[in-house]
Amino acid sequence: AQSVTQLGSHVSVSEGALVLLRCNYSSSVPPYLFWYVQYPNQGLQLLLKYTSAATLVKGINGFEAEFKKSETSFHLTKPSAHMSDAAEYFCAVSIGGGADGLTFGKGTHLIIQP
Amino acid sequence: NAGVTQTPKFQVLKTGQSMTLQCAQDMNHEYMSWYRQDPGMGLRLIHYSVGAGITDQGEVPNGYNVSRSTTEDFPLRLLSAAPSQTSVYFCASSYGSGYTFGSGTRLTVV
Repeated sequence: AQSVTQLGSHVSVSEGALVLLRCNYSSSVPPYLFWYVQYPNQGLQLLLKYTSAATLVKGINGFEAEFKKSETSFHLTKPSAHMSDAAEYFCAVSIGGGADGLTFGKGTHLIIQP
Repeated sequence: NAGVTQTPKFQVLKTGQSMTLQCAQDMNHEYMSWYRQDPGMGLRLIHYSVGAGITDQGEVPNGYNVSRSTTEDFPLRLLSAAPSQTSVYFCASSYGSGYTFGSGTRLTVV
């Protein structure tokens, strides 16, 4: 079975600083990998996804993530944090081509300090 | 283009009551799935379906039943609600790597 580990339930960065949210996965077969963002009392919004094409994936709002098979990682980065980036971020993995649902990490709450 | 529609958006149940959370999609996706979201736990898969008439259990299936009689609908049934089922429930439909989520149902069991 696949699993996802997000390091750090809370991450705090200053406005304008680099954002780095860590995600490691385990899977016996090549996975699809996703990052979602959730603002308070809202649903899930897809930031980006990896589907075995380019290993560096660019998403919305200036976020990007790099798939590293050797490290089983899919860390999310943004060069310069904005106050509007404050939210909950979830990493997720799918191995069944979408058939067997997503396995999510427990989430990372991103705090932006002014 | 509605995507995935979940009803109701909010519900309060008494312990032992039953109810059905509705999920409907209009994208003709074969795959559908249900998740519950709890603080500090992320989203966990309850049940999923790979097509009409085919369902399977996810990580946390106990206390929930599902059926899939049509491609469009995938209802989630709570036969006897318990306080531990207080959560936010999300339904999703998918095709390949494309997942579409509903806006969620916030359920409180008292």
